[in-house]
Amino acid sequence: DAKTTQPTSMDCAEGRAANLPCNHSTISGNEYVYWYRQIHSQGPQYIIHGLKNNETNEMASLIITEDRKSSTLILPHATLRDTAVYYCIVRGGANNLFFGTGTRLTVIP
Amino acid sequence: DSGVTQTPKHLITATGQRVTLRCSPRSGDLSVYWYQQSLDQGLQFLIQYYNGEERAKGNILERFSAQQFPDLHSELNLSSLELGDSALYFCASSTVSGNTIYFGEGSWLTVV
Repeated sequence: DAKTTQPTSMDCAEGRAANLPCNHSTISGNEYVYWYRQIHSQGPQYIIHGLKNNETNEMASLIITEDRKSSTLILPHATLRDTAVYYCIVRGGANNLFFGTGTRLTVIP
Repeated sequence: DSGVTQTPKHLITATGQRVTLRCSPRSGDLSVYWYQQSLDQGLQFLIQYYNGEERAKGNILERFSAQQFPDLHSELNLSSLELGDSALYFCASSTVSGNTIYFGEGSWLTVV
């Protein structure tokens, strides 16, 4: 599975949109981009995934560039409860999830 | 609530001992995964089972073993425990297609 690069940490003001970038320049054509988050030692929580089209669900939006070499997770209205470590993972087929170090997002009141 | 259930939530045991962690996957999920998260290592994949058969192996020590039973629940056995085995152990499950993997809340193991 392709490797991903994420910023170590980010801050976001409460109520504003949080935009979390991820680079995955070696992604293959059949690999999906997955996002998970982990809130303080709880189990990782699935957020969203996509192949090449932009995706949206009740939690977030995923924007994937046309060349698929990078993506952005958007939390439209961040709350204090969104403070967590966010993991961007590239995954092929039914392979396992390999977690990197993620981005520590802090939502500031 | 992901639907993946892990027991026990917390466990303290002494070095050299053996423990068993249990996982019940989401209803209908055939795949079970085990991950270890220690302070200095992040989330590490240990092993995956699919419908009772071992599917993939990660960084699992020889002192550790797992199995998935006919009712699809899984157990992770940790033996000859060392201080360094203190960690959060997560179980996860996914459907046949494996599109999305859902995690349980973990079992905290402290070895003293």
